[in-house]
Amino acid sequence: EVQLVESGGGLVQPGGSLRLSCAASGFTFSKFWMTWVRQAPGKGLEWVADIKQDGSDKNYVDSVKGRFTISRDNGKNSLYLQMNSLRAEDTAVYYCARDGGNCTGGRCYDAFDIWGQGTMVTVSS
Amino acid sequence: AIQMTQSPSSLSASVGDRVTITCRASQGIRNDLGWYQQKPGKAPKLLIYAASSLESGVPSRFSGSGSGTDFTLTISSLQPEDFATYYCLQDYNYPRTFGQGTKVEIK
Repeated sequence: EVQLVESGGGLVQPGGSLRLSCAASGFTFSKFWMTWVRQAPGKGLEWVADIKQDGSDKNYVDSVKGRFTISRDNGKNSLYLQMNSLRAEDTAVYYCARDGGNCTGGRCYDAFDIWGQGTMVTVSS
Repeated sequence: AIQMTQSPSSLSASVGDRVTITCRASQGIRNDLGWYQQKPGKAPKLLIYAASSLESGVPSRFSGSGSGTDFTLTISSLQPEDFATYYCLQDYNYPRTFGQGTKVEIK
């Protein structure tokens, strides 16, 4: 079964750190871009970061640049999000997602086709 | 960052209705747009990519159209399982940005 399972969420104080993990199974992890998306309570979706298949290219939303680091270990079929200097506004459910990279008409597009169940991060004193 | 604006923010409709949701980009994004469905407490689900390509396994009552700045998601005949929140997402450049969502409720 194709699956993503996040872990590592929890309660952390402002200024603290947390490392999220996303374990992939049922597909060749090393062939896909991977993404983190978050959703604050009662709010919409926010794209956070993504990483290329070999880890050589990473992108972030401005609000987390310099604080969050996305990484992956293809040998362990795992995706990570290291979150430092956490703020109250980082409180959210964090989802990892596979980018299927669907191609049509000679071009390829983001297509977040497999998602984890999400892990809750709460930043509060 | 490119701003994605969806309208309406919410709508009420009945089973069998035709429903249209609009997404407007703050600049041209070619056809680099996807649509996602999210039900309460669940992860989003991919419906459409490249503005109009239906993801495998998604019912054909869902369709997408548009290019440049204006895009549409249409549900041709609303089914009970379609009551959810829908989001557009641009993948033209970084950072990727979602619309604020459109909640489809039962009338």
